[in-house]
Amino acid sequence: KNEVEQSPQNLTAQEGEFITINCSYSVGISALHWLQQHPGGGIVSLFMLSSGKKKHGRLIATINIQEKHSSLHITASHPRDSAVYICAVSKPYNTDKLIFGTGTRLQVFP
Amino acid sequence: EAGVAQSPRYKIIEKRQSVAFWCNPISGHATLYWYQQILGQGPKLLIQFQNNGVVDDSQLPKDRFSAERLKGVDSTLKIQPAKLEDSAVYLCASSPGSWELSGNTIYFGEGSWLTVV
Repeated sequence: KNEVEQSPQNLTAQEGEFITINCSYSVGISALHWLQQHPGGGIVSLFMLSSGKKKHGRLIATINIQEKHSSLHITASHPRDSAVYICAVSKPYNTDKLIFGTGTRLQVFP
Repeated sequence: EAGVAQSPRYKIIEKRQSVAFWCNPISGHATLYWYQQILGQGPKLLIQFQNNGVVDDSQLPKDRFSAERLKGVDSTLKIQPAKLEDSAVYLCASSPGSWELSGNTIYFGEGSWLTVV
């Protein structure tokens, strides 16, 4: 079983819909990262969380440390949001090393 | 601020040939990582450098993969000989390496796409 699990694996949505991607982890962490990977492109860091909630534009990330769960929300989704969203965690005492989930492939249709 | 630079972006080689990828991290970043990402999977750490020393290479297939960061700045990842299953994106990333300095944000390059035929 992977230490970091994401759901769903694939997600399609109509433009304007509210989207939620979930991440669960089974290890102690120092931080959780949400990353975005576009086809043919590199990976962009969206958020790094150790508690609570962060918001950037239409993106919101939350984390519940007790439940070992995080969610990434996209409000008013747009076709340009189509990408793979990856959850990754860093462990205590080796905060440089990331453990990745397998990603959620999001397609937003106009 | 310049990002993490990687080259080449794309490479197609035959099995048993060799290939080398280059990475220049963000200036001043002490930590450099090489990840392998096979299609449909999350990235897998191959090797992590702190300055010019290796911190973690436990998942590097050392019979065919090698990496160096001789001066603690840019790095090269080599595969020799390549196998079909090495087809993947090779991502380089860097971070300041200090939780206190940056909250440990990691910056990724655009990746080097390898196809082994």
